[in-house]
Amino acid sequence: QKEVEQDPGPLSVPEGAIVSLNCTYSNSAFQYFMWYRQYSRKGPELLMYTYSSGNKEDGRFTAQVDKSSKYISLFIRDSQPSDSATYLCAMSLDGGSNYKLTFGKGTLLTVNP
Amino acid sequence: DAGITQSPRYKITETGRQVTLMCHQTWSHSYMFWYRQDLGHGLRLIYYSAAADITDKGEVPDGYVVSRSKTENFPLTLESATRSQTSVYFCASSEYTGFWLQPQHFGDGTRLSIL
Repeated sequence: QKEVEQDPGPLSVPEGAIVSLNCTYSNSAFQYFMWYRQYSRKGPELLMYTYSSGNKEDGRFTAQVDKSSKYISLFIRDSQPSDSATYLCAMSLDGGSNYKLTFGKGTLLTVNP
Repeated sequence: DAGITQSPRYKITETGRQVTLMCHQTWSHSYMFWYRQDLGHGLRLIYYSAAADITDKGEVPDGYVVSRSKTENFPLTLESATRSQTSVYFCASSEYTGFWLQPQHFGDGTRLSIL
């Protein structure tokens, strides 16, 4: 079983839809969770960063962590064509060892106008 | 607002050649990282550096050499390139605030093809 599983998609939605992106993980020791957005031929860009369980909201984006289920989600409200990108989840054991990030393989999202 | 700059953006070379990928950051972050990104594997850590003159191996270090003589630069060298090293290479940096390492910020990558 891989440490982090992420559905590669592709996921195609109409503009304005609510998008749900998910990752599951096997190592219950993970405490820090990140979502990166990667546009084509660009580097990953940090979107959201959360610690332990709970929700964090930033504009149209909400990151959710359920440590009991070992499941994290990123919700995008009122999706826009500019949200079309690959979304990568990443996680680490603790703040001190954040150098060792474990990434999901990414989900390709297309938002159609 | 340069952030992290990688050069070259694209490189084609032949097997057996030595090639060096450059990474420069303007934030004075203490930590720097090299990843490769391949279809089916995602991002994998090659090497990282906690400070000038301190480097350590990541998940896939074989065939790669790094150095860090200055805080802002972290070159990655493929001493004798092989086709399996064809990939997109990303450099990243991060700052350690005293008790935790901030999330990493990435450059735009170098697309390397080895023929």
